[in-house]
Amino acid sequence: DQQVKQNSPSLSVQEGRISILNCDYTNSMFDYFLWYKKYPAEGPTFLISISSIKDKNEDGRFTVFLNKSAKHLSLHIVPSQPGDSAVYFCAASVGAGNNRKLIWGLGTSLAVNP
Amino acid sequence: EPEVTQTPSHQVTQMGQEVILRCVPISNHLYFYWYRQILGQKVEFLVSFYNNEISEKSEIFDDQFSVERPDGSNFTLKIRSTKLEDSAMYFCASSDRGTPETQYFGPGTRLLVL
Repeated sequence: DQQVKQNSPSLSVQEGRISILNCDYTNSMFDYFLWYKKYPAEGPTFLISISSIKDKNEDGRFTVFLNKSAKHLSLHIVPSQPGDSAVYFCAASVGAGNNRKLIWGLGTSLAVNP
Repeated sequence: EPEVTQTPSHQVTQMGQEVILRCVPISNHLYFYWYRQILGQKVEFLVSFYNNEISEKSEIFDDQFSVERPDGSNFTLKIRSTKLEDSAMYFCASSDRGTPETQYFGPGTRLLVL
């Protein structure tokens, strides 16, 4: 199942710089895309989402960009902080009403160095 | 802030035994889900539940699995006869009517089948 792909298993960034995490998808039926952050031994924490009819959504330091023609989205974190070090998952929502499910990428481990 | 809780955090069982994983979704949420993540693999959808019945289930969710909402707060996943390959992190999630695509996750139960 390769519907959602995160091709970079890891990323290392200096504190204060921009972190860019990428995600590609194949299924045109996805109507929402979500980013989750996960620390070890914890569950995924919802960060930010974007509807497929938008191309950008911003929330504080986090911005998600969607390029629907390229089936590509990215999460920008500016400025990056050491507390942002975690695994970031891209997930795509498909279905309607009570028949929704999330399809997940493998995750990208972000390390923000002081 | 309301959160999804799960118990137990860890469960070790012998192959062939029954296990019940418990979840308390966020109180005003209407849609409930179970996902699992086998070590090193993607998070996988198992089942969605709404209005006291299963909305959708994946091919992983075979006859060995069942879900139940025994009262107004708990949501359980039962595995009748565990297999070695059921060893995984099991995550419960819930979402509300207004934004059903945004699922909030519990901390997970780590199941180890010996």
